[in-house]
Amino acid sequence: EVQLVESGGGLVEPGGSLRLSCAASGFTFTDAWMTWVRRAPGKGLEWVGRIKSKTYGETTDFAAPVKGRFSISRDDSKNTLYLQMNSLKIEDTAVYYCTTIRSSWGQGTLVTVSS
Amino acid sequence: DIVMTQTPLSLSVTPGQPASISCKSTQSLLASDGKTYLFWYLQKPGQSPQVLIYDTSNRFSGVPDRFSGSGSGTDFTLKISRVEAEDVGIYYCMQHTHLPVTFGQGTRLEIK
Repeated sequence: EVQLVESGGGLVEPGGSLRLSCAASGFTFTDAWMTWVRRAPGKGLEWVGRIKSKTYGETTDFAAPVKGRFSISRDDSKNTLYLQMNSLKIEDTAVYYCTTIRSSWGQGTLVTVSS
Repeated sequence: DIVMTQTPLSLSVTPGQPASISCKSTQSLLASDGKTYLFWYLQKPGQSPQVLIYDTSNRFSGVPDRFSGSGSGTDFTLKISRVEAEDVGIYYCMQHTHLPVTFGQGTRLEIK
C-alpha cells in the first residue's frame, strides 16, 4: 500500500524556519518525482514546488510566492522528501501535503506562521 | 502562468442526478509528447485530495465509473453520471503541462 506521511509542522514566528518531512513507502520512491502542495485556510489548493528523481538530476521547481525562500530535497536511502521553509510569512500558513501528483497524497501537516 | 477557471463554484445536487463541472485554461494543455496533463481531484471534508481523473480522461484505480473526464486543448469537463452522498467535497482541476502547476479555484458539491 502506498503511504505518504508528513511531519514537522507547527507554530513558527514570521521570519522563522521550519523543515517538513514526508516519509514514503509502498512504491519505488527513487523513481518518483515528488511535489509539495498547500492549502491555506479558506483557500484552494496551491502548488508549492517539486523535485525530480535522481535520474533527472533532482532538479527542483518552485511557485513564485516561495521561490528563494523554500527548498526541496530528498534522501532516497531513507525514502524521505523534505521541504525547507525559510523567511516564513504569515501567508505561508497552510496545510502542506506531499504528493506524487499522479496518485498518492499524504494526510498533510499544518504550518502556522504567527507572532 | 496558466489560469484554470472552474464553473460553477458550487453545486447542489439531488442524489441520483447528474452533475458537471467545467474547467477552462488560458493556454492549450496539449504537451509536446501528445498528452494533455489535466487532472481532477476531490477533497472530501477532513481528508486529503484524491485523484479522480488523470491525463484528461483516465479514471484512477478504484474510482467509480460514474465519474468521467473529457476535453481537449483549453476546455475540460468532469461529469458525475449519478451523484451519491459520498461525492460531497471540493473538486479541483489541475494542469501540469506547463510550469508552474496550477489549480482551478475549486467547486464545492453538496447534496440536496
